[in-house]
Amino acid sequence: TQLLEQSPQFLSIQEGENLTVYCNSSSVFSSLQWYRQEPGEGPVLLVTVVTGGEVKKLKRLTFQFGDARKDSSLHITAAQPGDTGLYLCAGARYGGATNKLIFGTGTLLAVQP
Amino acid sequence: DTGVSQNPRHKITKRGQNVTFRCDPISEHNRLYWYRQTLGQGPEFLTYFQNEAQLEKSRLLSDRFSAERPKGSFSTLEIQRTEQGDSAMYLCASSPTPRGLMNTEAFFGQGTRLTVV
Repeated sequence: TQLLEQSPQFLSIQEGENLTVYCNSSSVFSSLQWYRQEPGEGPVLLVTVVTGGEVKKLKRLTFQFGDARKDSSLHITAAQPGDTGLYLCAGARYGGATNKLIFGTGTLLAVQP
Repeated sequence: DTGVSQNPRHKITKRGQNVTFRCDPISEHNRLYWYRQTLGQGPEFLTYFQNEAQLEKSRLLSDRFSAERPKGSFSTLEIQRTEQGDSAMYLCASSPTPRGLMNTEAFFGQGTRLTVV
């Protein structure tokens, strides 16, 4: 059972367009991470958000953590073909002994030139 | 390169054979994780080590799976009597010990792609 649901599951857009990916859960997380994964490679960490309502920017990428720390969004401005990949959100629980991550279902983004 | 290293990158094996994968974490990280990822899905947690101690195992980890981290450095994941359903990407990640309640970031290796034929 996936505790983190991502939407949309697939997204194909033209270069220059904007997009938003959502990551939703009924559970509270102490932190949430976003990763990008290319085919045949491991996930690469983009950002970690910790505080409810927190907004972080990474060049054209804007990440937000929901006030209740149950959801998050990733907004990409003026998408480029190099943004193509699988975007994964992953949550960690408060005081969890293992610090293991619970991953979302993923959003596969294709940016056409 | 000081990132997480996994070997081999790809493994094709016949059903019923045993396979072993290796993970070398970032040297100062004492936490090590194994995840499994099937096509089109997010990674699923398999097991976790703190130093050499295996502290948690997922129910996904059947009796055919065993993981070790004998000296608290590299780790191995062995699958015995492989089945076609074991075909997946096996990912290793490491992280330092969290300070207080703050979770720390996990850094992933490139994974081992297993194909069971």
